[in-house]
Formats: sequence, C-alpha cells, structure tokens
Amino acid sequence: DGGITQSPKYLFRKEGQNVTLSCEQNLNHDAMYWYRQDPGQGLRLIYYSQIVNDFQKGDIAEGYSVSREKKESFPLTVTSAQKNPTAFYLCASSPRDLVSNQPQHFGDGTRLSIL
Amino acid sequence: KQEVTQIPAALSVPEGENLVLNCSFTDSAIYNLQWFRQDPGKGLTSLLLIQSSQREQTSGRLNASLDKSSGRSTLYIAASQPGDSATYLCAVNNYGQNFVFGPGTRLSVLP
Repeated sequence: DGGITQSPKYLFRKEGQNVTLSCEQNLNHDAMYWYRQDPGQGLRLIYYSQIVNDFQKGDIAEGYSVSREKKESFPLTVTSAQKNPTAFYLCASSPRDLVSNQPQHFGDGTRLSIL
Repeated sequence: KQEVTQIPAALSVPEGENLVLNCSFTDSAIYNLQWFRQDPGKGLTSLLLIQSSQREQTSGRLNASLDKSSGRSTLYIAASQPGDSATYLCAVNNYGQNFVFGPGTRLSVLP
C-alpha cells in the first residue's frame, strides 16, 4: 500500500541532544512537509520541500533542520537549540507544490518528549 | 497574517443527529480549503478539498461549503455515527505560501 511512514512512533530526548525523526513516502510525491502540533492548537509548518535538494523554512523553523537527498525521504532533526521540543510531529506530502489542488497526505506522527 | 478559527472547540451529540462544524479565516485570498479528520494519536486524513472557485463539495454523508467573501466554511455531517467521533480540522492554502490550520473541533457522537 502507498503511504507515508514516520518513525519512531515515540521518541525521548535528553538535554543537549539532537534527535532525528524519519519520514518516508512511496507515493511518488514531489512536495513534503513537516508540521508540529501542540495540544489545543492547529498544525504549524516547520519546513517544506518541493523538490530534491531544496527546502524552505516554515513559520517555526528555529531549532530544527531538514534534508532532502532523495525524493522519498525528508528527515527532520530537532536540535538542542529547540528549547521546547515536546510535541506531536507530523509529516505530509502532496503530488505538487503548494499552489495545487491536490490534497495533502499525512503520516501517523511521532510524539517527542523530553527526559 | 492569515488566521483560522474553528467553532465550537468541542461538540457532543447523540447518534443520528445532523451537525455543522464551522471554520473561519481572516484573509479571503485563498487557493483552496481542506477539511481533515484526526483520530487520537494519529495523522490527518483528508475528507474534502474545495477549490476557491467552488461553493461546495460532497462525499457520502459529508458536505463542505465555502463562502470566500465572508471567510467561512462549514462541514455538514448527516446522520452522525459513533465512528464519526474524532477531531476535525480545516486548513486554508494561502496561494502557495503555506497551509494554515485551525485548532480543530473535537466531536463525540454518543451511541
């Protein structure tokens, strides 16, 4: 089945540690996105990528980094500079860039907590 | 800056009722609007996408309408079922800038 796979489902970060969240899609989509979801709030865009080897900052990029070396993969690193990383992280993809009438598809998320 | 709100924040209804969820946005210059469903601890599932030139979209028991000039969209759920219990989010596409999401409405349908 085609879809988006996020791993791990749960992740714990120690003080001063960088952690990487995985996102893989087999939908052959060009665009991929990372969102952060906090309780009672809507999703906020961290980074997005419309093509391999290119990505743009979203609204809350500080303390995060990404790479897009392959079309299928868009990993997110939460660095030690992100002082409040506890949240639910969602990866999404769509067939084209943001100016499109194609719906976004989402993975099942990674819940990150601080130890 | 685009802001999206959803009312009510939570809703509890008995099974079989028809219900309406509301979504409001401040900037009417949108490319499209999507309604999503989110189950606890899960990702989002796209329900309906309305293009800016459209007034409504239907899928089964779901009907979404869009009034761009007033900055409003509604999601109508007919004959609600316990399986409809979830959080419903709307998101607007700001002409290629990004998607802006509302905080969601948490729906409980009681058997």
